[in-house]
Amino acid sequence: EAGVTQFPSHSVIEKGQTVTLRCDPISGHDNLYWYRRVMGKEIKFLLHFVKESKQDESGMPNNRFLAERTGGTYSTLKVQPAELEDSGVYFCASSQADRGTEQYFGPGTRLTVT
Amino acid sequence: AQSVAQPEDQVNVAEGNPLTVKCTYSVSGNPYLFWYVQYPNRGLQFLLKYITGDNLVKGSYGFEAEFNKSQTSFHLKKPSALVSDSALYFCAVNPWETGANNLFFGTGTRLTVIP
Repeated sequence: EAGVTQFPSHSVIEKGQTVTLRCDPISGHDNLYWYRRVMGKEIKFLLHFVKESKQDESGMPNNRFLAERTGGTYSTLKVQPAELEDSGVYFCASSQADRGTEQYFGPGTRLTVT
Repeated sequence: AQSVAQPEDQVNVAEGNPLTVKCTYSVSGNPYLFWYVQYPNRGLQFLLKYITGDNLVKGSYGFEAEFNKSQTSFHLKKPSALVSDSALYFCAVNPWETGANNLFFGTGTRLTVIP
């Protein structure tokens, strides 16, 4: 069974540019989560999809971040325009059910904004 | 506010010795508790979880964790450390009673097992 995949693995962009991160969850997992880890700090929740619907987007930092999940399959996270403080590692996770079940994480996308 | 504390950024232990990675939490209600491990250039891997029942939970790779409700702690343990256990360990909680499905993480503890 393929795990959660994320693309790209690394991205270096200049302040003001746009970047789109992609996540492919494990097949059949209705729940998809985005998290972010800024250097040395805790991993913070961004948002949660159930199928194609946003269940909880309370962790999204501001309106420069836009997440979508087309047809309830893969998800994209767009940052536009990127700021320096957006740098970090963005993790995607998926799970079959919601609370109480473990989430399976992708390898992350390291975003550097210069 | 929900928070998870991993008081040690770094833990060093000799191979063959027991190891403990500490985690305490300040979360509403009776959360679900998790440990994840991250190896270099890999995603977080699930190790174990506590939902209910026995306070000692056994997980992957010989790890176990002890839930202590009065101390709001969930320390990760292993009786005999291996060099291959060297990695970054994250404690996480899910305060499900608040309606949240997401995880709140600690800042991580880097474990180094010395041969």
